[in-house]
Amino acid sequence: RKEVEQDPGPFNVPEGATVAFNCTYSNSASQSFFWYRQDCRKEPKLLMSVYSSGNEDGRFTAQLNRASQYISLLIRDSKLSDSATYLCVVNRGTGNQFYFGTGTSLTVIP
Amino acid sequence: ETGVTQSPTHLIKTRGQQVTLRCSSQSGHNTVSWYQQALGQGPQFIFQYYREEENGRGNFPPRFSGLQFPNYSSELNVNALELDDSALYLCASSLVGGAETQYFGPGTRLLVL
Repeated sequence: RKEVEQDPGPFNVPEGATVAFNCTYSNSASQSFFWYRQDCRKEPKLLMSVYSSGNEDGRFTAQLNRASQYISLLIRDSKLSDSATYLCVVNRGTGNQFYFGTGTSLTVIP
Repeated sequence: ETGVTQSPTHLIKTRGQQVTLRCSSQSGHNTVSWYQQALGQGPQFIFQYYREEENGRGNFPPRFSGLQFPNYSSELNVNALELDDSALYLCASSLVGGAETQYFGPGTRLLVL
């Protein structure tokens, strides 16, 4: 079983829509959780860390459910500039290895 | 921009050759991690260097090796290149090892023919 699993999509949504991405991780000892964004042919960039209490940054809300080993990202009022691949990332806290999902592709349509 | 730089940006090699990729970490960061990203996949962890020592390794064969220098810059060396080594190689720096947020460089695109 993969460490991190994501629905690869693609998700094609109209501008202004709300879209949610989900991610599951297999190791219950995982300690740190992140969402990264990757534009086509570019490097991944940190979008936000994910905390147990849930956190929000403008139009973006991330949530973590440790019991279900599930992470989510909600994007409200989608913009054309949100079109990218969104990578779910998990760190066990030992061995310093970050595990990436395969990414979920989002295209926001005018 | 993260301040992490990598060179070269692109590289073409033939099977069996050796390649060295370079990375300069963000100012103040003493930890460098290397990842391989094949087309359509997420980055796969190769290894991490902290204070010039390997500090964790993913599921990659020994022909993938690395170094970290006193200024925290790093090299990734791949010997006996195979066609499947064609990928984007990403370097990420962080303030310390462990679960700290990592910041990525632009990557080196390697094509093995």
